[in-house]
Amino acid sequence: DTGVSQDPRHKITKRGQNVTFRCDPISEHNRLYWYRQTLGQGPEFLTYFQNEAQLEKSRLLSDRFSAERPKGSFSTLEIQRTEQGDSAMYLCASSLGVRGLFFGSGTQLSVL
Amino acid sequence: AQSVTQPDIHITVSEGASLELRCNYSYGATPYLFWYVQSPGQGLQLLLKYFSGDTLVQGIKGFEAEFKRSQSSFNLRKPSVHWSDAAEYFCAVGDGGSQGNLIFGKGTKLSVKP
Repeated sequence: DTGVSQDPRHKITKRGQNVTFRCDPISEHNRLYWYRQTLGQGPEFLTYFQNEAQLEKSRLLSDRFSAERPKGSFSTLEIQRTEQGDSAMYLCASSLGVRGLFFGSGTQLSVL
Repeated sequence: AQSVTQPDIHITVSEGASLELRCNYSYGATPYLFWYVQSPGQGLQLLLKYFSGDTLVQGIKGFEAEFKRSQSSFNLRKPSVHWSDAAEYFCAVGDGGSQGNLIFGKGTKLSVKP
């Protein structure tokens, strides 16, 4: 399977805990994106990497959020001191150039 | 700033009937336009995209969409809906700039009656 892979698929955590999600993009894609989707809404952009460089972060990405893409391959998204408002589906996507994003199945986060 | 409006939150059609999902965008230049489909608990699958050229684009699963610059619209159509088409559909616009980021509408949920 050469699609975008995300792990875990589901994560339940208690408020105040830290969580980390992983995304493995399509191997030849140099761009990687993180989006957040809440119920009844479309995906909202969080951050974007070109190779290993994080080129843009949304205002949605508070100081508690950090993303990395070491060596321009897989990426991780960490949320520190989770809050109930962080409960959402976190989607990763990759692309080659600007001609459309290919999404993973997402990580569903529930903060209790 | 770019924006996407999907006026219909929920649409129900009978199996075998035709379908049209509406999408209007706001963008200053020629946009890159996309339609994605999402099944419950899943990621988004790209149905089709428009960058330039022929304004009627064909996609997967028998879907097509037509770009109408004068109406700022990019409506998705299918001549005969199948029960497996029940899902949520998202229209998105890209700015074509260096980011390749997409702005999504809020989606239209499609239900299919037997």
